[in-house]
Amino acid sequence: GESVGLHLPTLSVQEGDNSIINCAYSNSASDYFIWYKQESGKGPQFIIDIRSNMDKRQGQRVTVLLNKTVKHLSLQIAATQPGDSAVYFCAEGGYQKVTFGTGTKLQVIP
Amino acid sequence: GAVVSQHPSWVICKSGTSVKIECRSLDFQATTMFWYRQFPKQSLMLMATSNEGSKATYEQGVEKDKFLINHASLTLSTLTVTSAHPEDSSFYICSARPRGRQGLDQPQHFGDGTRLSIL
Repeated sequence: GESVGLHLPTLSVQEGDNSIINCAYSNSASDYFIWYKQESGKGPQFIIDIRSNMDKRQGQRVTVLLNKTVKHLSLQIAATQPGDSAVYFCAEGGYQKVTFGTGTKLQVIP
Repeated sequence: GAVVSQHPSWVICKSGTSVKIECRSLDFQATTMFWYRQFPKQSLMLMATSNEGSKATYEQGVEKDKFLINHASLTLSTLTVTSAHPEDSSFYICSARPRGRQGLDQPQHFGDGTRLSIL
C-alpha cells in the first residue's frame, strides 16, 4: 500500500560530510526506483534513478544503492552542502504510477 | 529540459468556490500526467492519473466529482476542485511523463505545486 508518514525523520549532517539516506520499499515486484529532492514550497526534483537489474548507480556527488534481497534503497550524498538541505523521497514504480516513501528531512549544519 | 509548469502557485478562496489548477509540460509532450496531494510534513499521495483524450483514472477514496480532471492536449492537464471546503486545503502537485518512451521507465517531472487555502 501507500507509504505515508505522520512525521518526517530528520538527518542532521555537518557541511562537508557525507550523507546517507535510507528507504525501505514494500513491493518486491518493483523494478524501477527514483530519488527525489523536495525543497520547501516546491515540487519534487529528480535526483537519480536505478533499475532493478542494477545494485549501484552513480551521479554527480550522489550514489544510489539497491538491495533487492532486503528491499532497501539508499542515497549517498558526498561532501554535503547547505543547498542539499531538503526533504528526500524515494519512490518505487514504473510507467503506470509511482509510490512515494515517507521522506527524510536532511538538515545541513554549516 | 522536461519542465513542468503549474499555475497558480497559490490561491486563497472562500468555501464553496471552484478552483482550477493548470499543469503544462513546456518542452515535451505528455500522454500521461499525474495529480498528487501533499499535507504538511507528509509524503505525496497520488490522486489520479490523467490520460490525454480519455477519462482520468482515480485512486481509491478520491471523489471524481469533487476533483475534475481534464487532459485535452498533450501539454495541458487541469484539476478543478469543485465546491471547495476548508478540508480541501492542501498542496496540490502535478507531474508529467515524456511521451514516446513507451515501455521504458522514465522519471516523472514535477511542477512546483499549488497551495490551496479555503477559508
